[in-house]
Amino acid sequence: QKEVEQNSGPLSVPEGAIASLNCTYSDRGSQSFFWYRQYSGKSPELIMSIYSNGDKEDGRFTAQLNKASQYVSLLIRDSQPSDSATYLCAVNIGSGTYKYIFGTGTRLKVLA
Amino acid sequence: SAVISQKPSRDICQRGTSLTIQCQVDSQVTMMFWYRQQPGQSLTLIATANQGSEATYESGFVIDKFPISRPNLTFSTLTVSNMSPEDSSIYLCSVTWDNKETQYFGPGTRLLVL
Repeated sequence: QKEVEQNSGPLSVPEGAIASLNCTYSDRGSQSFFWYRQYSGKSPELIMSIYSNGDKEDGRFTAQLNKASQYVSLLIRDSQPSDSATYLCAVNIGSGTYKYIFGTGTRLKVLA
Repeated sequence: SAVISQKPSRDICQRGTSLTIQCQVDSQVTMMFWYRQQPGQSLTLIATANQGSEATYESGFVIDKFPISRPNLTFSTLTVSNMSPEDSSIYLCSVTWDNKETQYFGPGTRLLVL
């Protein structure tokens, strides 16, 4: 069974620090990876997608992918209290289905 | 960017009844999906809503319990049938555009079954 794993947290970081969120996946055939942010009571919103090994940067966010280790991470630089949310890792299960498997999410708390 | 809306945004229902949730997009989409998010948990895919044909259900979900329609490229409905308190969840639709994989979510429907 294909799985996506995340540490549920909470991960607490001080304001201005770097928050590092991690995700591992079981299916070596997965090619597409996504990070979503979900505030309490709201629906998930896309932060970033990543498809190739290495780093992808967008503003304060950097996604890192290592397919050999089946590992994807999200770094948030200069963390702000407004970044406090649950971060969901999603992995496309492939086979042209466009379907995702979601991790359980990591709850991030940025302390002012 | 396109707008995804869901109706109702929330509802409280009695056990044994059914609720139909609508998902409307203001532009044509490639794929539409329905998810369930139970309290404190992550998202679980219920089914892929196929335009003009029967939905494709994931393991553990059946058409009799969660009938889905998608009559065109911008609209889909999910019915939660014969509800029990265990069906209390957030139900989310998501869509993709332009044959790309990235999914975008509607605002969700918060359902409480008493």
